[in-house]
Amino acid sequence: GESVGLHLPTLSVQEGDNSIINCAYSNSASDYFIWYKQESGKGPQFIIDIRSNMDKRQGQRVTVLLNKTVKHLSLQIAATQPGDSAVYFCAETYNQAGTALIFGKGTTLSVSS
Amino acid sequence: DAMVIQNPRYQVTQFGKPVTLSCSQTLNHNVMYWYQQKSSQAPKLLFHYYDKDFNNEADTPDNFQSRRPNTSFCFLDIRSPGLGDAAMYLCATGAGRLVEAFFGQGTRLTVV
Repeated sequence: GESVGLHLPTLSVQEGDNSIINCAYSNSASDYFIWYKQESGKGPQFIIDIRSNMDKRQGQRVTVLLNKTVKHLSLQIAATQPGDSAVYFCAETYNQAGTALIFGKGTTLSVSS
Repeated sequence: DAMVIQNPRYQVTQFGKPVTLSCSQTLNHNVMYWYQQKSSQAPKLLFHYYDKDFNNEADTPDNFQSRRPNTSFCFLDIRSPGLGDAAMYLCATGAGRLVEAFFGQGTRLTVV
């Protein structure tokens, strides 16, 4: 079935670098996307979201970019810190699924000092 | 203060013995979700409620059932747990469409 997925399973960066985590989705009807951060043994934590009528949204140190033409979503983390080390998931909803929130495969971000 | 509370955090059950996992919320959200997450995998949606409307994912095994007696509580019942059902079970709540879901800390289920 259609689902949201991530390009790379792991990403290693140095402290202070900018990180970019990518996500490809296949459902053109997807209208809302969320990035979650999950630390070991914990539930996913909301980072930032974006609706399909936008192509960019910024938060504190994070930016989400949405390219609907190629069905691609990315999360940019500025000045990555060791505390950013975690697994990152993108998730989507689409109109036919109502309120169902579907997760893609995660990317493990490792930040070294 | 925790807004989505899952009890217990760790649950050990015997093969084939029914088990119930609990979730409560203080957010008064309409939507409650149950996810199964196995090691190194993404959370997999089992089902969710919008108010009392139950929405089952097509590939959720019949062995998994859910109850939502009121807005605040939701239960996951596993009728006959198998070894393959060992996982982290995550509960989440949401106010509706196009808004984020808030997750609890999960219940880690071990089947022996």
